[in-house]
Amino acid sequence: QQQVKQSPQSLIVQKGGISIINCAYENTAFDYFPWYQQFPGKGPALLIAIRPDVSEKKEGRFTISFNKSAKQFSLHIMDSQPGDSATYFCAARRQMDSSYKLIFGSGTRLLVRP
Amino acid sequence: NAGVTQTPKFQVLKTGQSMTLQCAQDMNHNSMYWYRQDPGMGLRLIYYSASEGTTDKGEVPNGYNVSRLNKREFSLRLESAAPSQTSVYFCASSVDLHQPQHFGDGTRLSIL
Repeated sequence: QQQVKQSPQSLIVQKGGISIINCAYENTAFDYFPWYQQFPGKGPALLIAIRPDVSEKKEGRFTISFNKSAKQFSLHIMDSQPGDSATYFCAARRQMDSSYKLIFGSGTRLLVRP
Repeated sequence: NAGVTQTPKFQVLKTGQSMTLQCAQDMNHNSMYWYRQDPGMGLRLIYYSASEGTTDKGEVPNGYNVSRLNKREFSLRLESAAPSQTSVYFCASSVDLHQPQHFGDGTRLSIL
């Protein structure tokens, strides 16, 4: 059962445009929401992350928007560049007692056209 | 600055064969993880080790075993490989369970 639903599956954006990737979660016990960027043949790398007590976090051209009541969060890439072409994964973490879970979305393949 | 190193990078096995995937990190991290990545499924946690000497099951542990050999090394073993275990396997590490994870570049495993 997928607890973090990510959309769209793929996205094509022109250079300079805004890329928007959305995620929705079900479990209110999640306490940390990271986004990972993955280039072909490489492992995922942490891009930006947010905690549920914050509604927005911005780092350079990357912004996470978080809507706790709707249980949704999104990644916005402003002024998208061809070098941003990669697969992006959202994730949600839950840590309870001694257990640990980091649940990933299914990924969005972004292509930024020159 | 190697970070997380996984070996081998590629492997082809026959059904029923056994295999150990190796992972080592040089960042003095306490926590280590094994994930598998399948198309359309994202990454799914197989096992993790919060600290040296401990291991715990993740989301999809069946068919796998792990060993936290020391603080640096965390291996994943397939005792009797099945075609359903064809995947890309990623190892990751972090300072502790609260901190961001750093991933290796993966092992691409095909089971015929």
